[in-house]
Amino acid sequence: EPEVTQTPSHQVTQMGQEVILRCVPISNHLYFYWYRQILGQKVEFLVSFYNNEISEKSEIFDDQFSVERPDGSNFTLKIRSTKLEDSAMYFCASGRTSGGGGANVLTFGAGSRLTVL
Amino acid sequence: GENVEQHPSTLSVQEGDSAVIKCTYSDSASNYFPWYKQELGKGPQLIIDIRSNVGEKKDQRIAVTLNKTAKHFSLHITETQPEDSAVYFCATPLVGNEKLTFGTGTRLTIIP
Repeated sequence: EPEVTQTPSHQVTQMGQEVILRCVPISNHLYFYWYRQILGQKVEFLVSFYNNEISEKSEIFDDQFSVERPDGSNFTLKIRSTKLEDSAMYFCASGRTSGGGGANVLTFGAGSRLTVL
Repeated sequence: GENVEQHPSTLSVQEGDSAVIKCTYSDSASNYFPWYKQELGKGPQLIIDIRSNVGEKKDQRIAVTLNKTAKHFSLHITETQPEDSAVYFCATPLVGNEKLTFGTGTRLTIIP
């Protein structure tokens, strides 16, 4: 069964450092997402990406965050200057179509755990 | 604003009994209602979903019911087994957009 793969599975970084989290979405999917989950809390939307541009972003996704699809297969999330509160699990997800009425059936990756010290 | 409320936050059920988790949502335009299961250290996995043109959908021991008038939908797990222990999240796209907004999660524990 096709899956979304994420690397690294765990990254430890110092506050203020840049971090890049990588995702390989399912190959025929067109919609790409990053979500975040702080330990023990709910899954929060960060950003959606379609047709090589951001289609929507949450208020969490400030100027420190950026996304890119550099080569048509990878989808990356960059945090320029990490803060302690960026420590969380980051999930990449992809969806094939928008579905009727704009809904997306999403497949999630296993996540990248980011620990900021 | 956008809101998906999920209850209960924790649920313990004897093996073999049924479990029910309920979600309410705020946007009457929502038309897609998935349930995700998250096991420890893993990402959310879609287990069942329903669209607004039906009131119930069943897949073996799992079912989802939808009440659009009351704006709530529920996950039903029958004949629970130890491997059903996980955190379950409901979700729905709110305010007519593509992204899914998740509920706060329910930690389900099946007691052997």
